[in-house]
Amino acid sequence: SQQGEEDPQALSIQEGENATMNCSYKTSINNLQWYRQNSGRGLVHLILIRSNEREKHSGRLRVTLDTSKKSSSLLITASRAADTASYFCAVPRNSGNTPLVFGKGTRLSVIA
Amino acid sequence: NAGVTQTPKFQVLKTGQSMTLQCAQDMNHEYMSWYRQDPGMGLRLIHYSVGAGITDQGEVPNGYNVSRSTTEDFPLRLLSAAPSQTSVYFCASSQGGAGNTIYFGEGSWLTVV
Repeated sequence: SQQGEEDPQALSIQEGENATMNCSYKTSINNLQWYRQNSGRGLVHLILIRSNEREKHSGRLRVTLDTSKKSSSLLITASRAADTASYFCAVPRNSGNTPLVFGKGTRLSVIA
Repeated sequence: NAGVTQTPKFQVLKTGQSMTLQCAQDMNHEYMSWYRQDPGMGLRLIHYSVGAGITDQGEVPNGYNVSRSTTEDFPLRLLSAAPSQTSVYFCASSQGGAGNTIYFGEGSWLTVV
C-alpha cells in the first residue's frame, strides 16, 4: 500500500546549518506534501509540490520532487532552534479524491 | 479562529469501556479524517469522510466507528476499548482530498488500562 517513508529517522544539527530530509514513496502521485509537528501538538502544513514541479521554495524551505525516483527532499536552510520538530511527508493514498497517508517522520533537533 | 477542535484532550479508559472522541471544524470543509499516532509508527489513517453521510475505512479501522451527520462534526467511537488503542488521536479536515492542505486538531491523548 502507498506510504511515504522519511529518512533519516532522526537528525541533530547546529544552529545555522542546513537540514535535509528525504521521503520515498511507492506508487505514482499527483502531489506530495510536507508537514511539521512540534512536540505535543498537531501537524501543520508546510508546503505542497505537484508532480509537474521539480522544485518549490517557501521562505527557508526548499522542496524537490523526483517522480522518476519516487522521492522528495525537504531542505531547511540556516536552521534555528525553533525548527526543532518532527517533519512528515504525506502522499495520496490512492488516485482520485483520496485521503493522505503519512510516513513515520524525521525528528530534527537544532542545537543552539 | 477555531479551526479543528477535538475533545477531550486527555482520557483514561478501562478495558471494555466505550467512549466518543469529538471533532468539530468551522471551515466548512467537506473532507474529514481520523488518524492515530503511535511511537515509531507515524500517523495511521483510521476512517475518513468525503462529506456528510459518507464515510470510509482507512488502514486501521477495527475497533472504531464513525458517522458524519453534519459537515461540521466527525465523532470517533471506540466500541470496547482495548490497551492496543492507547494512542494519540488526531482529527483533520480539508476542502478536498489529497492536493489540499489538511488542518489538524491538537490531538486527544487516550490511555486504556
